[in-house]
Amino acid sequence: ETGVTQSPTHLIKTRGQQVTLRCSSQSGHNTVSWYQQALGQGPQFIFQYYREEENGRGNFPPRFSGLQFPNYSSELNVNALELDDSALYLCASSSDTYGYTFGSGTRLTVV
Amino acid sequence: GENVEQHPSTLSVQEGDSAVIKCTYSDSASNYFPWYKQELGKRPQLIIDIRSNVGEKKDQRIAVTLNKTAKHFSLHITETQPEDSAVYFCAASRGGYQKVTFGTGTKLQVIP
Repeated sequence: ETGVTQSPTHLIKTRGQQVTLRCSSQSGHNTVSWYQQALGQGPQFIFQYYREEENGRGNFPPRFSGLQFPNYSSELNVNALELDDSALYLCASSSDTYGYTFGSGTRLTVV
Repeated sequence: GENVEQHPSTLSVQEGDSAVIKCTYSDSASNYFPWYKQELGKRPQLIIDIRSNVGEKKDQRIAVTLNKTAKHFSLHITETQPEDSAVYFCAASRGGYQKVTFGTGTKLQVIP
């Protein structure tokens, strides 16, 4: 096990609904990054949190939001779900010393 | 922002042959270049990385080379085996707490 856990593993939501995805970072890691991976594509950077502050954001609309807790775990919230939001959502934790360690991801399907 | 291009998108090799995947990046400030392997339905896993102060790094059958002047880096897999079949992603970052930008992936198929 890598130590990065994500929940839930799979999720089906209806268009227009809201969803919250969760991530627990690996011990010793204070940075969490979220990525969206559509089928057959590379991971696309959504945003990163470092010590509870947003530390960079990719080209995603404001309905994608997040936060990081004092224990460095993190949540990704998506409002007003669209069909194109269907993807694998990956959380990766890191520190200044180590590279990314990915969680197993949450497969989100919007119908 | 950083843009990472990767090719080929698909690659088929006979077992025992070598495979080479090439990437280019745009941000001259990038100094950390990891490579990830993603098997079907699984998470990306770091297989090797290189920093800008090194031109080449090797780990058993896997090697990575970096040309900072030309802004390109490559993954070399020798003596390929069927279990090497997967999607490989290159990536680039400014290091530290900076975001990692991924390439579009190369689907490698090793034919027994």
